[in-house]
Amino acid sequence: DAEITQSPRHKITETGRQVTLACHQTWNHNNMFWYRQDLGHGLRLIHYSYGVQDTNKGEVSDGYSVSRSNTEDLPLTLESAASSQTSVYFCASREDTGELFFGEGSRLTVL
Amino acid sequence: QKEVEQDPGPLSVPEGAIVSLNCTYSNSAFQYFMWYRQYSRKGPELLMYTYSSGNKEDGRFTAQVDKSSKYISLFIRDSQPSDSATYLCAMSASWGYSSASKIIFGSGTRLSIRP
Repeated sequence: DAEITQSPRHKITETGRQVTLACHQTWNHNNMFWYRQDLGHGLRLIHYSYGVQDTNKGEVSDGYSVSRSNTEDLPLTLESAASSQTSVYFCASREDTGELFFGEGSRLTVL
Repeated sequence: QKEVEQDPGPLSVPEGAIVSLNCTYSNSAFQYFMWYRQYSRKGPELLMYTYSSGNKEDGRFTAQVDKSSKYISLFIRDSQPSDSATYLCAMSASWGYSSASKIIFGSGTRLSIRP
């Protein structure tokens, strides 16, 4: 079955370190998204991509970057982790129309 | 003021009760309204989506949109313990290409169904 997987599922890191969260989907969807979910804020869009070599900033992109070198993967990098980036991160993908399919999330703690 | 407001709960009801979950919004351009269900430590999954005003029914679930009041609801009939989850409303002005980047999510209502 096609799916979307995130790794690691849990990570603890220190302030200032670089962190990369992986997202891999096997649906061959062109569109991929990264969200963060925090209490009281719901899901907020960080970055998104409509295809290979395309990346765009979302609502809360400061301190994050993504790259899209193939259809299946959209890794999210925190250049210098801050405590404010402690959150649960969700990757999602979809076809050009239709529903978003979410991964199971990556829980990041920055100490 | 947030574009989409949703009571975070938690909401606890006995098994078999009718549950009503609600969201209000401020952007009159929203045309597509979605409800996502999110189980603990899982990603959200689309439960229902409706276009413009009116009702849509799917089994025990009914989604209702009142655009004049900028108010949407999700009703769950004959609620089951397996319905215990966080329910997020979401909405956007369009559905086609590039629309997913413009979906606005509510903060979610945590629902617990007591056996």
